[in-house]
Amino acid sequence: GESVGLHLPTLSVQEGDNSIINCAYSNSASDYFIWYKQESGKGPQFIIDIRSNMDKRQGQRVTVLLNKTVKHLSLQIAATQPGDSAVYFCAVFYQKVTFGTGTKLQVIP
Amino acid sequence: DAGVIQSPRHEVTEMGQEVTLRCKPISGHNSLFWYRQTMMRGLELLIYFNNNVPIDDSGMPEDRFSAKMPNASFSTLKIQPSEPRDSAVYFCASNEWDTNTEAFFGQGTRLTVV
Repeated sequence: GESVGLHLPTLSVQEGDNSIINCAYSNSASDYFIWYKQESGKGPQFIIDIRSNMDKRQGQRVTVLLNKTVKHLSLQIAATQPGDSAVYFCAVFYQKVTFGTGTKLQVIP
Repeated sequence: DAGVIQSPRHEVTEMGQEVTLRCKPISGHNSLFWYRQTMMRGLELLIYFNNNVPIDDSGMPEDRFSAKMPNASFSTLKIQPSEPRDSAVYFCASNEWDTNTEAFFGQGTRLTVV
């Protein structure tokens, strides 16, 4: 089955700096990837997605990079703000969705 | 649309009691997922339905857990009998399976079994 891992359980970033959160997956047939943000007491919320036929996608202050060769996914947040503090999950889709264990982003004012 | 609606938001019950969690997916979505979230294991997929049919229940931990989806707008997750180790936040999510789009999550039900 699919297994998904995150490299860092906690990431502390100074306000205004860029954040990079990483995710590794194991199934090369995975064809759709999502980053979710989960704030305390809430369900995961969609941030950005990317399909396997792309290697980069940009949103507002966020960029997702996909490297299918090494089965690696990253989320870049530009000019990190206090409101970005949350747990971030990658989700990998192949027949069903599998979530990574989550990275907690702490923004230092 | 109000999004995915789960009830109750919080449930405290005694060990051995039956617990029923409820979910109303987003109208028009044809897939529904039940997840359990704990500090130790993160988000675990328990079961998912496509067009009201259970597709994969390999994540259901034990026979004490069961899920149903009698129609496109309602699903239940039942634990009978409940145990303290079932304490977790249970999320329901739905999406349009055919277009392979993001899953929208409910606010979750925080279950505490004492």
